[in-house]
Amino acid sequence: TQLLEQSPQFLSIQEGENLTVYCNSSSVFSSLQWYRQEPGEGPVLLVTVVTGGEVKKLKRLTFQFGDARKDSSLHITAAQPGDTGLYLCAGAQTGGGADGLTFGKGTHLIIQP
Amino acid sequence: KAGVTQTPRYLIKTRGQQVTLSCSPISGHRSVSWYQQTPGQGLQFLFEYFSETQRNKGNFPGRFSGRQFSNSRSEMNVSTLELGDSALYLCASSEIAGGPGITNEQFFGPGTRLTVL
Repeated sequence: TQLLEQSPQFLSIQEGENLTVYCNSSSVFSSLQWYRQEPGEGPVLLVTVVTGGEVKKLKRLTFQFGDARKDSSLHITAAQPGDTGLYLCAGAQTGGGADGLTFGKGTHLIIQP
Repeated sequence: KAGVTQTPRYLIKTRGQQVTLSCSPISGHRSVSWYQQTPGQGLQFLFEYFSETQRNKGNFPGRFSGRQFSNSRSEMNVSTLELGDSALYLCASSEIAGGPGITNEQFFGPGTRLTVL
């Protein structure tokens, strides 16, 4: 079983601050996705990273895939209350097995005004 | 396009009963995956259906089953409910089937909140 560890589990910061959340594994993934989930809703895909070392930017969000494709990070610049939510990373297997996407348990992010 | 819809949104059952949850994927999507989300375990993969065939299955007991119809709509069934089955059950649809080395964009529904008393 491929596991994804996310840290921190909970993060509460003030509006305007910067933050980074991490997604780590001892396994290699062919790709990694980041989702945001708000209360009462399903996760919404933010980005998919595929190539080791890849960096993608989505407005104030910067996503990086580790060189070895075992880890990823999400950096938010100048956080806003609208960024509040559960951030989930999910990895797609490189081969063998058949258990779909592997999700981390998520980082609960609260941005206080 | 309309998004993924799941019915019912909330459900309360008692131990030993069975339950059927429904998912309608985005029009044109042929793959439907089911996940269980709990605070302790996070999101765990249950199974994936593509063109009415179960392609992948997660590590859940046989009490959890599913099926997909010719119009791609899917149902999942849980028999002999246990307290630990209380969770948010999420359905996700995508255009293509998942698999090793395949990255497909999944669109999630709002989920069905199941409470087992």
